[in-house]
Amino acid sequence: DIVMTQSPDSLAVSLGERATINCKSSQSVLYSSNNKNSLAWYQQKPGQPPKLLIYWASTRESGVPDRFSGSGSGTEFTLTISSLQAEDVAVYYCQQYSKTPLTFGGGTKVEIK
Amino acid sequence: QVHLVESGGGVVQPGKSLRLSCAASGFRFNNFGMHWVRQAPGKGLEWVAVISYDGSNTNYGDSVKGRFTISRDNSKNTLYLDMTSLRGEDTAVYYCAKDRGYCSSTSCFWRGHFDYWGQGSLVAVSS
Repeated sequence: DIVMTQSPDSLAVSLGERATINCKSSQSVLYSSNNKNSLAWYQQKPGQPPKLLIYWASTRESGVPDRFSGSGSGTEFTLTISSLQAEDVAVYYCQQYSKTPLTFGGGTKVEIK
Repeated sequence: QVHLVESGGGVVQPGKSLRLSCAASGFRFNNFGMHWVRQAPGKGLEWVAVISYDGSNTNYGDSVKGRFTISRDNSKNTLYLDMTSLRGEDTAVYYCAKDRGYCSSTSCFWRGHFDYWGQGSLVAVSS
């Protein structure tokens, strides 16, 4: 199984500042057919289901604010919130869809400092 | 507008069975793979199972393989999860999720990431 490791477990960022979340996979998630990385990011607010933010490591889902961006390749990936807003308080998960079983990182809790 | 509504959760004794349903609307259900994902109280997300658009292919997470069965009825736009031999560690909120897949001229394919989720159904396994 591909193990997904997120860091940090939690972080507190001031409003308007940058938040950076890291995700590392135990093996490459590169999809050779399209040369894209099979990596997604989700946001989960308390009491709500997860929401898709990013797929193919860097493609923003429709309707997601452009302050959210994804980057990385191979085994190391990053989700960046360029200017943290109050509504961004949530837990963020990375997920690989390169191979089954599909696996998630343990989550990163983002709070306001 | 896509809607996924889970039902069938509740409290069940260890070793017993339970069936979850997920009613889908707002999209062409028979064109997309569907998944179940679960979340134990206060914990992270765990993928449970996937079924292809036509029900011909399924795949399961290691922890539920042989005990859970995913199925679908495209005439009713409904996804199911049959859970048997339930254990305490199966206690979780179970979400159904639509795959962000695609179709060619002849078939449809699931990708493995989820663009819509239901609100979830809580299953509590306890004596």
